[in-house]
Amino acid sequence: EAGVVQSPRYKIIEKKQPVAFWCNPISGHNTLYWYLQNLGQGPELLIRYENEEAVDDSQLPKDRFSAERLKGVDSTLKIQPAELGDSAVYLCASSTSPGAEAFFGQGTRLTVV
Amino acid sequence: SQQGEEDPQALSIQEGENATMNCSYKTSINNLQWYRQNSGRGLVHLILIRSNEREKHSGRLRVTLDTSKKSSSLLITASRAADTASYFCATAPIGYSTLTFGKGTMLLVSP
Repeated sequence: EAGVVQSPRYKIIEKKQPVAFWCNPISGHNTLYWYLQNLGQGPELLIRYENEEAVDDSQLPKDRFSAERLKGVDSTLKIQPAELGDSAVYLCASSTSPGAEAFFGQGTRLTVV
Repeated sequence: SQQGEEDPQALSIQEGENATMNCSYKTSINNLQWYRQNSGRGLVHLILIRSNEREKHSGRLRVTLDTSKKSSSLLITASRAADTASYFCATAPIGYSTLTFGKGTMLLVSP
């Protein structure tokens, strides 16, 4: 069974440019998370989906970040415009239900220069 | 915001020794989970303990949960160099089903 797939693995962009990350969760997993992880820190939630509904986006900086999960499967996280402080690893995870064991993708390392 | 807090922040031991790391959290939970993250890679789930359980084992891992103290410990016995990684506790608070992570303990196991 394929795990959570994220792309790209690495992205370098100039500040003020837009960037998008893609996540394909494990088949049948209704819960999908996007986390941000800074060096030496734990993952911090950006948004949680249950199927196609964003049920927890309280930590998402909505002025520049947006996300969607069309048809309750794949998800895209977008930043526009990117700032230097957005440099981090963006992790996608999925689980069968809220609070259950989460399976993580390898992450996308974003560098904003 | 982060619900859990691991202690110590860093731990350095020799192969064959046991490693113990602790996690404290703030609000009542449905379950507590431990994850491992090797350098530059994604997180891997290790073990889940429910709020009505006190102890759980998986191979060389032993997890305890004390809900009265809002704390958990992860014991890795007979550690190996391959156990070198960061370890995170994650909680699923009651009434808030989002999995929330601590800042992690960085474990270094030297040959």
